[in-house]
Amino acid sequence: GAVVSQHPSWVICKSGTSVKIECRSLDFQATTMFWYRQFPKQSLMLMATSNEGSKATYEQGVEKDKFLINHASLTLSTLTVTSAHPEDSSFYICSRDLLAGGYEQYFGPGTRLTVT
Amino acid sequence: SQQGEEDPQALSIQEGENATMNCSYKTSINNLQWYRQNSGRGLVHLILIRSNEREKHSGRLRVTLDTSKKSSSLLITASRAADTASYFCATDRSGNTPLVFGKGTRLSVIA
Repeated sequence: GAVVSQHPSWVICKSGTSVKIECRSLDFQATTMFWYRQFPKQSLMLMATSNEGSKATYEQGVEKDKFLINHASLTLSTLTVTSAHPEDSSFYICSRDLLAGGYEQYFGPGTRLTVT
Repeated sequence: SQQGEEDPQALSIQEGENATMNCSYKTSINNLQWYRQNSGRGLVHLILIRSNEREKHSGRLRVTLDTSKKSSSLLITASRAADTASYFCATDRSGNTPLVFGKGTRLSVIA
């Protein structure tokens, strides 16, 4: 069964509003989780590394004030897209390590965000 | 920046045929992984090959790694319509997650 869940699976919002996406690790306490963004027919681009109890590490070019990440517990990381614009429409996917210190990743099912 | 580059970008084959996808990368790695993504879904880990390995098998999957050429290939034998998906290679960055993904190969298996 799924070990990483995301909610919602899809969301439509109006330009200027904020949207929160949740990523849960269901069977493993994950001190680190990762957020990716994927545009249609494109690859996954890492946005940030979510660290439990500390600030997220953002990739170059990703606005940390626009994409707020909160990793408040060992099983939950949230990504909030603030003041969303149509160009933020994308597929957002989170992941965590298969095992602590391992290389394989478990991915959530993704969240499709459409900003109108 | 993306590490891996897959080719072909798209591949269409008949059911029962073999599908081969290639991946090239730029820097030294500890391991290389292949993932599968069905349309509009998350990624599923298929196989990991370590830098000191040259070939690995898992069911109908065969992965090779040539570190001298910085390339890997994924072979799916006796393909099925259910294998239709996008396939991505991914490499670690300096031995740590997160992964860096290639652009992917979109495989279509026609029944």
